[in-house]
Amino acid sequence: DTEVTQTPKHLVMGMTNKKSLKCEQHMGHRAMYWYKQKAKKPPELMFVYSYEKLSINESVPSRFSPECPNSSLLNLHLHALQPEDSALYLCASSHPTGRAGDTGELFFGEGSRLTVL
Amino acid sequence: GQQLNQSPQSMFIQEGEDVSMNCTSSSIFNTWLWYKQDPGEGPVLLIALYKAGELTSNGRLTAQFGITRKDSFLNISASIPSDVGIYFCAGPNTGNQFYFGTGTSLTVIP
Repeated sequence: DTEVTQTPKHLVMGMTNKKSLKCEQHMGHRAMYWYKQKAKKPPELMFVYSYEKLSINESVPSRFSPECPNSSLLNLHLHALQPEDSALYLCASSHPTGRAGDTGELFFGEGSRLTVL
Repeated sequence: GQQLNQSPQSMFIQEGEDVSMNCTSSSIFNTWLWYKQDPGEGPVLLIALYKAGELTSNGRLTAQFGITRKDSFLNISASIPSDVGIYFCAGPNTGNQFYFGTGTSLTVIP
């Protein structure tokens, strides 16, 4: 069973809606990630939080707004999305890479399938 | 961002056959990761490799960390129908970025 939990598993929204994706991990990891994945393609990095601070934003449109309320939780707020934003959104966590003794393992949640109509 | 080259892109094999796939990079990595992803699900970590030349097994899966630290290999022995899925390799840098391979899609024919 995955130790990274994502909700909801499926989400359908209109282009004017506001919704949120949620992620929780209890592995003591201090780096958390949002990825976007299209069918049969590798995950594409969107955002990275390290020690609850946004450390990487891969030029993601402002209609996606991440939030890290504490070391276990990560949210992705969605507003005014476009149909091309339909994808599988993956949350992941790891120990911050580059630390002495870090094993560099990344653990994914089961994903949230988003459909924008 | 950097992308790792993974081959083959797809494989169609008979149940019971062995499978080999590999991943190459222009940069060295200190860790290599192998994932399996089922349709509509998140990638699941299969094997992690930490040392050049290391050979690690997980059941019917065996992965190797290349000596040059620029490649890695995954073998699956005696394939079964539940091995179907997309396999990704990945490696981290020191800045919380993980680079992913292009994926190998495996189909097992009963």
